[in-house]
Amino acid sequence: AQSVTQLGSHVSVSEGALVLLRCNYSSSVPPYLFWYVQYPNQGLQLLLKYTSAATLVKGINGFEAEFKKSETSFHLTKPSAHMSDAAEYFCAVKKSSGDKLTFGTGTRLAVRP
Amino acid sequence: EPEVTQTPSHQVTQMGQEVILRCVPISNHLYFYWYRQILGQKVEFLVSFYNNEISEKSEIFDDQFSVERPDGSNFTLKIRSTKLEDSAMYFCASQILTGELFFGEGSRLTVL
Repeated sequence: AQSVTQLGSHVSVSEGALVLLRCNYSSSVPPYLFWYVQYPNQGLQLLLKYTSAATLVKGINGFEAEFKKSETSFHLTKPSAHMSDAAEYFCAVKKSSGDKLTFGTGTRLAVRP
Repeated sequence: EPEVTQTPSHQVTQMGQEVILRCVPISNHLYFYWYRQILGQKVEFLVSFYNNEISEKSEIFDDQFSVERPDGSNFTLKIRSTKLEDSAMYFCASQILTGELFFGEGSRLTVL
């Protein structure tokens, strides 16, 4: 079964600082990996996805993630945090295009002025 | 830009009542899903639907739950007899073939 582990339920950074949100996956086959963002009282918005093409994936709002098979990781980064990045971030995995999406427990990002 | 729409945005119901949550997926999508998120917790898979039938369901999706796509556009989740623990945000999602799910804004269900 596919699963993802997100280390750190809460991360706090200063505005302008690097954002690093960690995600490790467990999968019996090369996975499809995703990052979604959830702003307060809103739905889930896709940030970026990895589907076995380039290992460095660029998403919306300046975020990117790197697929590292040797580390079974798909960490999310952004060079410079903005106040508007404060939200909950979910890593998710599926084993094939038509499979269900399995979410991690989420990381709440706070951005300090 | 096409989007998944869900109604109602918030429903309050008494325990034991039936609830129907409605979703209009993106029109050319082929796979449909329901997820739920209990306040402060992770997003949990309930059921997936493809080719007019359930393709997978979780252990949460017991006999009290059902889904249908009655008219080729709406995708509904019915909870036959609600329990207090059914209080959650319910998200509908749809997908074409490229892998990513597109989610609606959610329906908040409060069971009293």
